Amino acid sequence: RKEVEQDPGPFNVPEGATVAFNCTYSNSASQSFFWYRQDCRKEPKLLMSVYSSGNEDGRFTAQLNRASQYISLLIRDSKLSDSATYLCVVNRPNAGNMLTFGGGTRLMVKP
Amino acid sequence: DTGVSQDPRHKITKRGQNVTFRCDPISEHNRLYWYRQTLGQGPEFLTYFQNEAQLEKSRLLSDRFSAERPKGSFSTLEIQRTEQGDSAMYLCASSSISRDPGYFGPGTRLLVL
Repeated sequence: RKEVEQDPGPFNVPEGATVAFNCTYSNSASQSFFWYRQDCRKEPKLLMSVYSSGNEDGRFTAQLNRASQYISLLIRDSKLSDSATYLCVVNRPNAGNMLTFGGGTRLMVKP
Repeated sequence: DTGVSQDPRHKITKRGQNVTFRCDPISEHNRLYWYRQTLGQGPEFLTYFQNEAQLEKSRLLSDRFSAERPKGSFSTLEIQRTEQGDSAMYLCASSSISRDPGYFGPGTRLLVL
């Protein structure tokens, strides 16, 4: 079983739609959780951290369920520029806080 | 630009040749990570340094791979006797010693012919 699992997609949605991505992780000792965004042939860039109480940044909402070891990302009012791959990322606390990445979920927002 | 930089950005080499990549992290960051990413996959951890000490190595890092961070600043990743399966994007990231996430450089894209 992979340490971090995501549905690879692609998710094809129209502009303005709301879309949600899910992610599960296997290491119950993980303490830090993030969503990264990666554009085609570019490096991953931090989108947002994920906090236990849930957090929001503009159109983006992230939630964490520690009991189920589950993380989600909700994007409201999708823009064409949101088209990218979204990587779920979990730290490995016993290994120098090294990050473990999911395989990514690809989002395509269409006009 | 005070972000993570990597050099070269692209490298094409023939099978069997040695290649070396360089990463310059964000200056105040103690931790430096190397990842490898192939098409359609998320980045996979290779190794990490805290200052000049290499503290963890993935089993993906075969004997042909070696990484150094001699003065706790920049790092190099060398691949000896390259194979076609080494073709990938090699990403470097840095972070401070706290729980902050890694910040990635633009990567070095390697193609082994």
